[in-house]
Amino acid sequence: ETGVTQSPTHLIKTRGQQVTLRCSSQSGHNTVSWYQQALGQGPQFIFQYYREEENGRGNFPPRFSGLQFPNYSSELNVNALELDDSALYLCASSIDKTYEQYFGPGTRLTVT
Amino acid sequence: AQSVTQPDIHITVSEGASLELRCNYSYGATPYLFWYVQSPGQGLQLLLKYFSGDTLVQGIKGFEAEFKRSQSSFNLRKPSVHWSDAAEYFCAVGAYMDSNYQLIWGAGTKLIIKP
Repeated sequence: ETGVTQSPTHLIKTRGQQVTLRCSSQSGHNTVSWYQQALGQGPQFIFQYYREEENGRGNFPPRFSGLQFPNYSSELNVNALELDDSALYLCASSIDKTYEQYFGPGTRLTVT
Repeated sequence: AQSVTQPDIHITVSEGASLELRCNYSYGATPYLFWYVQSPGQGLQLLLKYFSGDTLVQGIKGFEAEFKRSQSSFNLRKPSVHWSDAAEYFCAVGAYMDSNYQLIWGAGTKLIIKP
């Protein structure tokens, strides 16, 4: 059974650019949640996708957007990058919306 | 508002000693409760969870946690820590906010092991 995978591992972008992060969910899981974890803090919920539809969103601006594909993999897109977007972005998958979530290793985004 | 508090930013424990990490939550209904561990630069690994039933739950790596509704707490314990337990530990509550389910996280407790 393959766990949750994320790509890329690390990414460096310039302020104002756009970025796409990818996540493959664990086999059999239909729900993907995205989190932002700034250095020294706990994760913050960005949004969740359930069966290809957004199923909840945290306190993040619209320049954070996402997609979920028929195979339940997911993308997180961030437009107009700001310095404060520098963080570890974590993807988690679960069997359904309310089950325990299993996390990928994360993508470390640095915005300069 | 729903929230999770981990009062200890850092805890230092000698190898072989017992451990207790504190977690308090604020949530109007019966919560789903979780403990995750994060090694430096890594993702989060689920240690244990509480959904219902027996309030003492066993997890991986010898960890256990006890749900105390009256104290709104879900403290994590281990009878004897190993150097490999050094990591950051996060408590989380699964809660409905605006009809959508999400995890609400504490700020984490960094566990330091003294040899």
